[in-house]
Amino acid sequence: DTAVSQTPKYLVTQMGNDKSIKCEQNLGHDTMYWYKQDSKKFLKIMFSYNNKELIINETVPNRFSPKSPDKAHLNLHINSLELGDSAVYFCASSQGVDEQFFGPGTRLTVL
Amino acid sequence: EDQVTQSPEALRLQEGESSSLNCSYTVSGLRGLFWYRQDPGKGPEFLFTLYSAGEEKEKERLKATLTKKESFLHITAPKPEDSATYLCAVPRRGSGNTGKLIFGQGTTLQVKP
Repeated sequence: DTAVSQTPKYLVTQMGNDKSIKCEQNLGHDTMYWYKQDSKKFLKIMFSYNNKELIINETVPNRFSPKSPDKAHLNLHINSLELGDSAVYFCASSQGVDEQFFGPGTRLTVL
Repeated sequence: EDQVTQSPEALRLQEGESSSLNCSYTVSGLRGLFWYRQDPGKGPEFLFTLYSAGEEKEKERLKATLTKKESFLHITAPKPEDSATYLCAVPRRGSGNTGKLIFGQGTTLQVKP
């Protein structure tokens, strides 16, 4: 009965590879987000989708491409991974601008 | 520029020793302030939302308060299981209905038995 789930939990890959992270929420929320948390634990928003429509696109390299197949899913695809992409990526969801509920995170390590 | 600053960065308490964490913000026209708890290796867990100055909310040993420029998270008689990083966040000015939050850097609380 997990509210917001992400897969995989850990992702270790070589520089230059392409990888995807998946997110699903079963809360019936209409808005989903991707955040990046760096080594200093600072959380920064990357993207937001409302009803499958992109509404926030922060200054993120275009190697990062979100995709929302439906309201309950928001995936993140990353092309040509770089060392600086190593971080923990969190998915979150909310109903409108109400409180956001976060997933368990995906720790990405780029070697 | 919209900013959220939390202090202290780290706090060590003995079990039962009450204290407060601070979150100050510079966003004008505040449309809510959120408190989260984050345990190591886990995602942030929602605690409270405060909307207007003077508002208070409580949950077990935690009480959150809000003024026009800052919020406090008071921890009364903490226990070791209260050890975590506490984050506050506010919607960015002009973010409309996008839910675009600015997070503070967090306060890492350690409660020793």
